[in-house]
Amino acid sequence: KQEVTQIPAALSVPEGENLVLNCSFTDSAIYNLQWFRQDPGKGLTSLLLIQSSQREQTSGRLNASLDKSSGRSTLYIAASQPGDSATYLCAVRRKDSSYKLIFGSGTRLLVRP
Amino acid sequence: GAVVSQHPSRVICKSGTSVKIECRSLDFQATTMFWYRQFPKQSLMLMATSNEGSKATYEQGVEKDKFLINHASLTLSTLTVTSAHPEDSSFYICSASIEVKTQYFGPGTRLLVL
Repeated sequence: KQEVTQIPAALSVPEGENLVLNCSFTDSAIYNLQWFRQDPGKGLTSLLLIQSSQREQTSGRLNASLDKSSGRSTLYIAASQPGDSATYLCAVRRKDSSYKLIFGSGTRLLVRP
Repeated sequence: GAVVSQHPSRVICKSGTSVKIECRSLDFQATTMFWYRQFPKQSLMLMATSNEGSKATYEQGVEKDKFLINHASLTLSTLTVTSAHPEDSSFYICSASIEVKTQYFGPGTRLLVL
């Protein structure tokens, strides 16, 4: 059974810091991995999607890496801003006919001005 | 493109009543829709997968008679929480797929059962 874990559960940093969020998964047979942002009481915004054959994806100040063999992904946020404060969710898509998304419990990020 | 809406965004109801939540794909036809539940500070848990015109497939531990899902058209799926109880209070999120490898998420519905 696929399990997705995110560490840390919560993180508070001063504005301007570079930070890394971690995601690990138990079954390396994934189709892809996706990072989402969720603001309080809101739905999900897709940030980055990494196919299983890829090592990383970049979008602006965000960079996500994938090491499928070790079951790990990281989300790197450069020069953090207060507007980055949100919960970040990692999800892996199963490599079977269902292509179901399995979510981690998220990292709650607070960037202090 | 690929916008998914949910209605209502918030609902408060009395224990024992039924509540219907709608999920619509606004600018595309969704062959598959997914329903998730999220408790405070927890992850999204998949409740069921529905394909247009067929019965929903429920995840283990989700009561199909309590959470009725109807996917009558390619742009609309509904989730009805029957005889709601306080423990059903949660954040319900739907997603819609053109093809199952990509999901577009709705904004969620906050349900509070008194």
